[in-house]
Amino acid sequence: EIVMTQSPATLSVSPGERATLSCRASQSVSSNLAWYQQKPGQAPRLLIYGAYTRATGISARFSGSGSGTEFTLTISSLQSEDFAVYYCQQYNNWPPYTFGQGTKLEIK
Amino acid sequence: QVQLVQSGVEVKKPGASVRVSCQTSGYTFTSYFIHWVRQAPGQGLEWMGWINPNRDTTKYARKFQGRVAMARDTSISTAFMELTGLTSDDTAVYYCAREPLTGEFDFWGQGTLVTVSS
Repeated sequence: EIVMTQSPATLSVSPGERATLSCRASQSVSSNLAWYQQKPGQAPRLLIYGAYTRATGISARFSGSGSGTEFTLTISSLQSEDFAVYYCQQYNNWPPYTFGQGTKLEIK
Repeated sequence: QVQLVQSGVEVKKPGASVRVSCQTSGYTFTSYFIHWVRQAPGQGLEWMGWINPNRDTTKYARKFQGRVAMARDTSISTAFMELTGLTSDDTAVYYCAREPLTGEFDFWGQGTLVTVSS
């Protein structure tokens, strides 16, 4: 089973600044990596798939990079609606599909 | 527009079973896999399995094999997930999610809270 590790667990950033979230896989997942945003009481929402492709309707402020075992989600110029929990997920080697434990992005 | 609408809150006793439905609309039901993912209170996301509505095939996470069954009814574009032998550890929000055959989950249901308590 591929283990996904996200860092940091909590990230405090001021509105208008940039946030950089990391995700590491225990073995290569190629570019088969997605990022999701989850707000309290809501279902996750797909942001990025294929490591760097934005999902339909997702702001260009969200960008993904990386391949193999190291991935990054960058959110430029943070807005109030961006403060949420972010999960990475690999879908290269399954079953199981595995998620990271999440990074909580909070207002500084 | 694509929608996945799940059934409502469930409260079950230990040892019971629960069946959650996921009614889809806005797309061709048989063209996309449906996955089930759960989230215990305050915890992360845990994949349970998928069903291919076209071929009626399934794949389950090893953790749930023997306790989970996924099914579909193509006449009403609905997927179902049944979990048996419930314990308090199964208390969670259960989500269905659509996969466009490329791996990512592009649309999600609103979630169904299942509480297991004596």
